[in-house]
Amino acid sequence: GAGVSQSPRYKVAKRGQDVALRCDPISGHVSLFWYQQALGQGPEFLTYFQNEAQLDKSGLPSDRFFAERPEGSVSTLKIQRTQQEDSAVYLCASSLGRGPGNTIYFGEGSWLTVV
Amino acid sequence: GIQVEQSPPDLILQEGANSTLRCNFSDSVNNLQWFHQNPWGQLINLFYIPSGTKQNGRLSATTVATERYSLLYISSSQTTDSGVYFCAVGGIKAAGNKLTFGGGTRVLVKP
Repeated sequence: GAGVSQSPRYKVAKRGQDVALRCDPISGHVSLFWYQQALGQGPEFLTYFQNEAQLDKSGLPSDRFFAERPEGSVSTLKIQRTQQEDSAVYLCASSLGRGPGNTIYFGEGSWLTVV
Repeated sequence: GIQVEQSPPDLILQEGANSTLRCNFSDSVNNLQWFHQNPWGQLINLFYIPSGTKQNGRLSATTVATERYSLLYISSSQTTDSGVYFCAVGGIKAAGNKLTFGGGTRVLVKP
């Protein structure tokens, strides 16, 4: 597609439920990022992939969070046993290359509410 | 890790006014980008500007890397400029394009 596509756009989960959020980056983009944005705050880094390799997962808040990109394109962010503090917008972004000079394109986000 | 502070936190402008948004960061960077988040949540890249000055229409940005700050200028503001402006930086030791975001400046342009 023309841009970064995320699904679902909106998800309401009961506390304790597992959720999976999908990201379709721009075709051919090597780098893929996940960010978490709480209400009224700036996005916070979760994890980074270069092709299928997860090079940095230092931002994942707990072992309940898991991300994968098995074929170097589509990525899935999985949250197990969701808790209320997981409520946030989860943003996926991609860029063509590896270096800092590459423009980063964000998707519209997956809005997760845990009740 | 690197700290990013933006000011002011909120800004209300009359249409046609000019404004300056500031971003301070705590360490050397090789990546600095400005983003606009529209009311629907979409983040749009405005500038990649780790140093120097760039202009794009009514927007311009200047980064003084040695003094660890960047400025975003909005001239002749329009209601469509409303939203949240984020500065995001990548430290020299950061992996790939990893960015640390500031808290944002919330801009409201009134007609």
